[in-house]
Amino acid sequence: AQTVTQSQPEMSVQEAETVTLSCTYDTSESDYYLFWYKQPPSRQMILVIRQEAYKQQNATENRFSVNFQKAAKSFSLKISDSQLGDAAMYFCAYRKDTNAGKSTFGDGTTLTVKP
Amino acid sequence: DAGVTQSPTHLIKTRGQQVTLRCSPKSGHDTVSWYQQALGQGPQFIFQYYEEEERQRGNFPDRFSGHQFPNYSSELNVNALLLGDSALYLCASSRPGQGFFESDTQYFGPGTRLTVL
Repeated sequence: AQTVTQSQPEMSVQEAETVTLSCTYDTSESDYYLFWYKQPPSRQMILVIRQEAYKQQNATENRFSVNFQKAAKSFSLKISDSQLGDAAMYFCAYRKDTNAGKSTFGDGTTLTVKP
Repeated sequence: DAGVTQSPTHLIKTRGQQVTLRCSPKSGHDTVSWYQQALGQGPQFIFQYYEEEERQRGNFPDRFSGHQFPNYSSELNVNALLLGDSALYLCASSRPGQGFFESDTQYFGPGTRLTVL
């Protein structure tokens, strides 16, 4: 069974600084998708960034980028120029390529942004 | 463009009761998945509906059942509620394309907070 591990229950960053959230996963599949979701206190789970395993290039979305290391099964999220609005719980998630529904989530990292 | 909507927002039930949660997918989406998120944990997959049928199921007992309607909206039913069923229940939808086997981004609703006393 696939598992997703987020080893940092809590992280903090100073406003305007950069922070990296870690995620590792376990799978025997070669094709899959990885995601980072943000869940603010309002509870709405929002997609931050997505990475297809077959792509070697790391995904980037504005201030958010990933470091995808397929061989190491590592998928970290880097947030640059952190803003107060980035404060939230961040979840790493895995989904098999031929599995449109079931995503496996880690237990999350709570990010605090200090002004 | 309306996103994924869920109702009710909050719900309080007592042990042994039954509950129905509702979800309307994002416009243009036909696949609905349900997740249970216990406090301080990541979401756990319950099941997924596509073309009005349950297509996949996670490790949940058959007290958890669901339904999808022709307009793609969905219901999650939980019978014989236990204290451990207290959680945030999330609905997620995804769009069609190559049908069920297309992997695409899931969009989540705001969730229903269920408290079982």
